[in-house]
Amino acid sequence: EAGVAQSPRYKIIEKRQSVAFWCNPISGHATLYWYQQILGQGPKLLIQFQNNGVVDDSQLPKDRFSAERLKGVDSTLKIQPAKLEDSAVYLCASSLGFGFADTQYFGPGTRLTVL
Amino acid sequence: ELKVEQNPLFLSMQEGKNYTIYCNYSTTSDRLYWYRQDPGKSLESLFVLLSNGAVKQEGRLMASLDTKARLSTLHITAAVHDLSATYFCAVMGASGAGSYQLTFGKGTKLSVIP
Repeated sequence: EAGVAQSPRYKIIEKRQSVAFWCNPISGHATLYWYQQILGQGPKLLIQFQNNGVVDDSQLPKDRFSAERLKGVDSTLKIQPAKLEDSAVYLCASSLGFGFADTQYFGPGTRLTVL
Repeated sequence: ELKVEQNPLFLSMQEGKNYTIYCNYSTTSDRLYWYRQDPGKSLESLFVLLSNGAVKQEGRLMASLDTKARLSTLHITAAVHDLSATYFCAVMGASGAGSYQLTFGKGTKLSVIP
């Protein structure tokens, strides 16, 4: 079974530029998550989708971050404009459902460096 | 708001020694995960603990859960260099949006020295 795919794996941009990340979840998984992992910290949930609808985006900085999941499969996360403090690894995860018992499977992540 | 605290954050230990990593969390939950992360890699699920008193073992790692104390431990027996990695605990809890979300600790960076 193929895992969660993400691209690109690495991205370096200058502050105030825009960047987008792509995620393809495990086939059949209805729920998709984006996490931000700053160096030396645990992942922090940014947004959670159930199919193509947003379930929870309470920790997404909406003034600069946006995400969409068209057709309930692939998802993109965009940052516009980027700030230095956005340097982090962005992890995508997926799960079969969105209940308490659903295990999340993580992708390899995209490492973003903002200069 | 659910808070998850791990300690220690850094652990340097000699091969062959035993040690325990602790994970405390602030609100009731019956589902706790332990993940391993190697440098530059994603999160690998090690254990999921589902009830009070749950104990799981895989090789030199053993995890346990005490929901009454809101405490989980990850015990390392006779450490080997291959166990060097960062270990995270993550607790499933209710989000403010009516769903569930994982809250992670800061991680414990383990270095096993020959």
